[in-house]
Amino acid sequence: GAVVSQHPSRVICKSGTSVKIECRSLDFQATTMFWYRQFPKQSLMLMATSNEGSKATYEQGVEKDKFLINHASLTLSTLTVTSAHPEDSSFYICSAPTSSGVTYEQYFGPGTRLTVT
Amino acid sequence: QKEVEQDPGPLSVPEGAIVSLNCTYSNSAFQYFMWYRQYSRKGPELLMYTYSSGNKEDGRFTAQVDKSSKYISLFIRDSQPSDSATYLCAMRRFQGAQKLVFGQGTRLTINP
Repeated sequence: GAVVSQHPSRVICKSGTSVKIECRSLDFQATTMFWYRQFPKQSLMLMATSNEGSKATYEQGVEKDKFLINHASLTLSTLTVTSAHPEDSSFYICSAPTSSGVTYEQYFGPGTRLTVT
Repeated sequence: QKEVEQDPGPLSVPEGAIVSLNCTYSNSAFQYFMWYRQYSRKGPELLMYTYSSGNKEDGRFTAQVDKSSKYISLFIRDSQPSDSATYLCAMRRFQGAQKLVFGQGTRLTINP
């Protein structure tokens, strides 16, 4: 399957600082990437859709000024958590769909665990 | 009512047993169905991908889709302790719609 990477895998930051998480598609181009948040023992919650060359589309209830998304190229999307607070501590996962013929398969990165102290 | 319902478990079975995992959904527009496996503190891994109704087999895994009942299943044969993980069903509407709708995930433990 296709490979999606994330960096960093784990980050600890102090309250009030900003943190940037990178998502890369390593062996395919992705005009669209998705950012999810996952709390312990819960399913994935879609935060936003990242679109290369245009603004991201945020899900209802997600603060776009707090979670800044930039899709700089066909292989890179970044999520910046601005002015992080302890309640932003979570597991953040990105995904990217790749097309193969008539199918779209979506592959996930390994996730980034953010802890805000 | 959630669009996709999945029993969160936990489900615990002995090694070698056949495991059956299920999801139901309410939106008849869903056409593409996926099963992901997620180990603790890792990203989900795509296991099976099925279009419309029918069965698909890959090794010890079989995915079934019954669109008339809005019901999908994943069967794991000869289950192994390494199969212990959370299994998430996911689905989407049509080829151009890339956004997935996930079930809650079922936590599975295979006991040696």
